[in-house]
Amino acid sequence: EIVLTQSPATLSLSPGERATLSCRTSQSVSTSLVWYQQKPGQAPRLLIYDASNRATGIPARFSGSGSGTDFTLTISSLEPEDFATYYCQQHSLWYTFGQGTTLDLK
Amino acid sequence: EVQLVESGGGLVQPGGSLRLSCVASGFSISDFWMSWLRQAPGKGLEWVANIKQDGRKTYYVDSVKGRFTISRDNAKNSLFLQMNSLRVEDTAIYYCARGIGIYSIYFDYWGQGTLVPVSS
Repeated sequence: EIVLTQSPATLSLSPGERATLSCRTSQSVSTSLVWYQQKPGQAPRLLIYDASNRATGIPARFSGSGSGTDFTLTISSLEPEDFATYYCQQHSLWYTFGQGTTLDLK
Repeated sequence: EVQLVESGGGLVQPGGSLRLSCVASGFSISDFWMSWLRQAPGKGLEWVANIKQDGRKTYYVDSVKGRFTISRDNAKNSLFLQMNSLRVEDTAIYYCARGIGIYSIYFDYWGQGTLVPVSS
């Protein structure tokens, strides 16, 4: 099983600041990595696919990078609606998720 | 607009059975892999099962093999999950999701989920 480790577990920032979230995989997944955003009581929403491509309707402030085992989700300037939990997921070998990074208001 | 609406959740005793349904709108499920995923209360996400477009291939996470069965009715644009021999650790919100991708799939649309508490 490919294990995904996200860091930090919690990130406390203010609107307008830059957020950098990390996801590391236990073995290479090439670019078979996606990012989701989940708000309380809601389903996950796809943000980024193939490590760096924004999904339909996702604002340009969200960007993804990386390949192999190290990946980053960057939110360039936080909006109030961005405070949520973010999960990475690999689909190179079956499907596993990271434990999530919670972005909360400082 | 793509929509997925799950139903069928509810309290069930350990060892019991439940059948979840998911009705899709805004697209034809016959063109896509479909999946079930789950999230235990306050926990992370876990993939449960996949089914290919024609229903002839199905895949499961090890923890549910032999107990859960995924199926689909393309004519009714619906996905199902039959869950037998339920365990306390199966307690979760169950989501249906659309699978997309060329060589391997990821999940681009999710339903709002249906809660399945397993407890005596």
